[in-house]
Amino acid sequence: QQQVRQSPQSLTVWEGETAILNCSYENSAFDYFPWYQQFPGEGPALLISILSVSNKKEDGRFTIFFNKREKKLSLHIADSQPGDSATYFCAASWGSNAKLTFGKGTKLSVKS
Amino acid sequence: DAGVTQTPRHEVAEKGQTIILKCEPVSGHNDLFWYRQTKIQGLELLSYFRSKSLMEDGGAFKDRFKAEMLNSSFSTLKIQPTEPKDSAVYLCASSLGWGSETLYFGSGTRLTVL
Repeated sequence: QQQVRQSPQSLTVWEGETAILNCSYENSAFDYFPWYQQFPGEGPALLISILSVSNKKEDGRFTIFFNKREKKLSLHIADSQPGDSATYFCAASWGSNAKLTFGKGTKLSVKS
Repeated sequence: DAGVTQTPRHEVAEKGQTIILKCEPVSGHNDLFWYRQTKIQGLELLSYFRSKSLMEDGGAFKDRFKAEMLNSSFSTLKIQPTEPKDSAVYLCASSLGWGSETLYFGSGTRLTVL
């Protein structure tokens, strides 16, 4: 069963718009939620992460909004740039468990 | 510091062959992971080592997939025998360990089984 779900599968936005990528999870024990960014031909790389004690985390143009009650989170990419075109993975883990459970990813295309 | 190094970048195998993929984690990292990536299934965990001890071997992948950590700086993933459905990108990742730690991924090995 898919413990971490992402939507949409693919998303196209225009340069300068805000892209919104969604993620939901099933396991209430999850308390750490990183987002990874992957470009073609490369491995995923950590973009930004949040712990469940927070409801928002910002890093430049990237913001995570977290709703623990609904078990949902979203990644907002403000002022999207063509260089942001990549696949974004939401992941989750709990406690000292280093194993991450990944969603299937959202492929973002930013058109100029 | 060198990142995670995976070799080879591409591998083509005939059905039934044995192939070995290699990974060198980031120096000093305690955790090492092998993932398989496909468009349909996404990232699936194959094996997880902590301080060279096998913590998880990915359940459904037990039969033909075997990962080993020969020492703290080298790991292999053996697929024996290969099947066409094994065609995928195999990713190795490492982290310091102890949870909430950044996973550092290699660039992967793209395996094609004919």
